Amino acid sequence: DGGITQSPKYLFRKEGQNVTLSCEQNLNHDAMYWYRQDPGQGLRLIYYSQIVNDFQKGDIAEGYSVSREKKESFPLTVTSAQKNPTAFYLCASSLTGAEQGAFFGQGTRLTVV
Amino acid sequence: GENVEQHPSTLSVQEGDSAVIKCTYSDSASNYFPWYKQELGKGPQLIIDIRSNVGEKKDQRIAVTLNKTAKHFSLHITETQPEDSAVYFCAASLYSSASKIIFGSGTRLSIRP
Repeated sequence: DGGITQSPKYLFRKEGQNVTLSCEQNLNHDAMYWYRQDPGQGLRLIYYSQIVNDFQKGDIAEGYSVSREKKESFPLTVTSAQKNPTAFYLCASSLTGAEQGAFFGQGTRLTVV
Repeated sequence: GENVEQHPSTLSVQEGDSAVIKCTYSDSASNYFPWYKQELGKGPQLIIDIRSNVGEKKDQRIAVTLNKTAKHFSLHITETQPEDSAVYFCAASLYSSASKIIFGSGTRLSIRP
């Protein structure tokens, strides 16, 4: 089945540690995105990538990093520089241009302990 | 940059009645407007979309209207059912741009039995 997979579903991090969230898609989509969702709020764009080996900062990129070495994969690293990392993280993919609609993964809930 | 405002933030309707959610956008160049439904603990799912060359689109009990002059678009759900209870997000993006999708803040829809 084609789709977009995020792992793990739940992740706990100690303060001061970096952690990497996985996102894989087999939809042959060129564009991939990472969003952050806080309780009762909308989706804020962290990073997006239109093509392999290229990515752009979104509205809240500070404290995060990404890579796009393969078309299928767009991992997000939450670094120790992110002061308030506890949130629900959503990965999405779409055909280039976004006009075809984005498909979302099921999310990763990150909690700092 | 694009800004999307969504109203109301919460909406409660009697089962069988209609629900309307409204969004406005700021960038007149935006030309693609998807709507997403998010159930608790899951990623958003695309339910309907509209392009700027179309004024209205229907899919069974769901319809979306677009007024380009006023820069607003709306989601209409008729004959609401309990399974329609969820958070709904509108979004706007620019065709063939950097694939940046901007989301509204969401509407929590509750269907009363």
